[in-house]
Amino acid sequence: DGGITQSPKYLFRKEGQNVTLSCEQNLNHDAMYWYRQDPGQGLRLIYYSQIVNDFQKGDIAEGYSVSREKKESFPLTVTSAQKNPTAFYLCASSNLAGGQETQYFGPGTRLLVL
Amino acid sequence: AQSVAQPEDQVNVAEGNPLTVKCTYSVSGNPYLFWYVQYPNRGLQFLLKYITGDNLVKGSYGFEAEFNKSQTSFHLKKPSALVSDSALYFCAVRDAENYGGSQGNLIFGKGTKLSVKP
Repeated sequence: DGGITQSPKYLFRKEGQNVTLSCEQNLNHDAMYWYRQDPGQGLRLIYYSQIVNDFQKGDIAEGYSVSREKKESFPLTVTSAQKNPTAFYLCASSNLAGGQETQYFGPGTRLLVL
Repeated sequence: AQSVAQPEDQVNVAEGNPLTVKCTYSVSGNPYLFWYVQYPNRGLQFLLKYITGDNLVKGSYGFEAEFNKSQTSFHLKKPSALVSDSALYFCAVRDAENYGGSQGNLIFGKGTKLSVKP
């Protein structure tokens, strides 16, 4: 988990509320990713970014938004449009090496709905 | 479309015995293959990867994996299991020929829970 920090560790969301999950890396990696983990479903890609000020939708982007204003930071906002947000959210980063690169993961944020 | 399957939800092994966690994949081009481990309420830790070359890949904590192109498999192995190896293991694949587009994203299996008993 070293080099990638996520905060908070636990986050509670009220109905209709937007919440933002923080992800910071000091590995000087170009690419950053957000995944959602649900029990028995593995990891699913929400958004990814390969360069500052640019990002792409993953497989389950609906109800989420991101920004990449700095190379080190890739915050994820879970909007009120995401009707089932309870999950474990994982941020990752990597260099870009034609697909051979390894993604390194942060410790995760668990989001719970009140 | 690319996919990866981990056919066993759980694998139970006695400490000291060899362990195998199975993974099969499907890609249109050549695969890049990865294994990760996750301890409870933690992020994923990288174990090893296959890019090209020797089919037997050695990784962290005594783990190794064998790439078998004809069987489209990449099983994770360890000669002697430890209780501390108990965790959730994920296999992941990326299609090397489609890197750069949405088809080139890393696809994860659903995970296999490894339980090592003393």
